[in-house]
Amino acid sequence: NAGVMQNPRHLVRRRGQEARLRCSPMKGHSHVYWYRQLPEEGLKFMVYLQKENIIDESGMPKERFSAEFPKEGPSILRIQQVVRGDSAAYFCASDQPGSTSGNTIYFGEGSWLTVV
Amino acid sequence: GEDVEQSLFLSVREGDSSVINCTYTDSSSTYLYWYKQEPGAGLQLLTYIFSNMDMKQDQRLTVLLNKKDKHLSLRIADTQTGDSAIYFCAEKWGGATNKLIFGTGTLLAVQP
Repeated sequence: NAGVMQNPRHLVRRRGQEARLRCSPMKGHSHVYWYRQLPEEGLKFMVYLQKENIIDESGMPKERFSAEFPKEGPSILRIQQVVRGDSAAYFCASDQPGSTSGNTIYFGEGSWLTVV
Repeated sequence: GEDVEQSLFLSVREGDSSVINCTYTDSSSTYLYWYKQEPGAGLQLLTYIFSNMDMKQDQRLTVLLNKKDKHLSLRIADTQTGDSAIYFCAEKWGGATNKLIFGTGTLLAVQP
């Protein structure tokens, strides 16, 4: 499967714990996005990264949230000290700017975080 | 602002055409997209249109773009029960980032 891969698909955390969500971009794509979808709402942009570089983090909450995309391995969205309001679906997407298909952005199946 | 607006709900009968509307905000948007989301699933890219086009057809899907009014629509011909889902329009924000700004989504309910 050469699509955008996210794991885990479902994650349950107690308040105060840490959540780590992973995303491997589509084959040939060098950039990833993270979006959050709160219940009954649309998707909100969080961050846009390429390997070892954050391009746009204008949608990231100021505290407890961080994202990285290391040289090797998947992109990781990390949420520290989770609270109930963090319960949401977190979607990763990828693209390859400058390529002939650079205008197409493909999404993964999402990671559903539930904070209890 | 970054508000992309859609009507919340549309109900049609199987076999009819569905038209889902969207109003976007950034006149410099280069591409506009339609995604489909089924319950508990990710987003499936349906189609997209470049901003210098006013229409694009892809099998049962027709996208119309009125750039002057910043209005985008998706028409689904011969709507089937399998088309029941939430449909999101999105604009690719102008500038250095490629981020997409999504609408609130339209729930399409297809009655048999």
